[in-house]
Amino acid sequence: QQQVKQSPQSLIVQKGGISIINCAYENTAFDYFPWYQQFPGKGPALLIAIRPDVSEKKEGRFTISFNKSAKQFSLHIMDSQPGDSATYFCAARFMGNQFYFGTGTSLTVIP
Amino acid sequence: EPEVTQTPSHQVTQMGQEVILRCVPISNHLYFYWYRQILGQKVEFLVSFYNNEISEKSEIFDDQFSVERPDGSNFTLKIRSTKLEDSAMYFCATRGTGENGYTFGSGTRLTVV
Repeated sequence: QQQVKQSPQSLIVQKGGISIINCAYENTAFDYFPWYQQFPGKGPALLIAIRPDVSEKKEGRFTISFNKSAKQFSLHIMDSQPGDSATYFCAARFMGNQFYFGTGTSLTVIP
Repeated sequence: EPEVTQTPSHQVTQMGQEVILRCVPISNHLYFYWYRQILGQKVEFLVSFYNNEISEKSEIFDDQFSVERPDGSNFTLKIRSTKLEDSAMYFCATRGTGENGYTFGSGTRLTVV
């Protein structure tokens, strides 16, 4: 019940295209849903996050869509750039403390 | 921008040896965490630490693991008798009061041979 399922495992997108990564969860006690971006050899860096009382949050080219009833949330990267090539992790916070991470999506943006 | 600093960046150790991984949190952060990431896999929670004690730990964090703040600034993870399967990236993360997200360090790559 603590799992966060993420898909796809890998994604290849043309420059300028839209990258979409999906996550699903089971536990309704999760109260915060961040997305992390990780470059090789670096720690995960917070990209954007949403609370379950909001259906969408946009920051620049990055948008989170949140569907509470379906227990799903997704990351949309508009106008994808080669510099966006990284591994993306969704996560869910359990009752204000620890995070459960998805398995990661390796995004490659082709010039 | 404030950073979480981890040392060493890479450590190679023989099976059965003790290792200590170090983290310097952001100065006003009070919540500390250790996570690990086995190569190519997801980030897994190990332990959370607040007010000088463990607040939560996962099944991975067994008796061979321990954490402490030896001098009020560093936050350390000790693995007493390393096993091959302990080989992973270990990330320290910290959080300030009232903040939602973590700040992760760059990690320590532990290789047990």
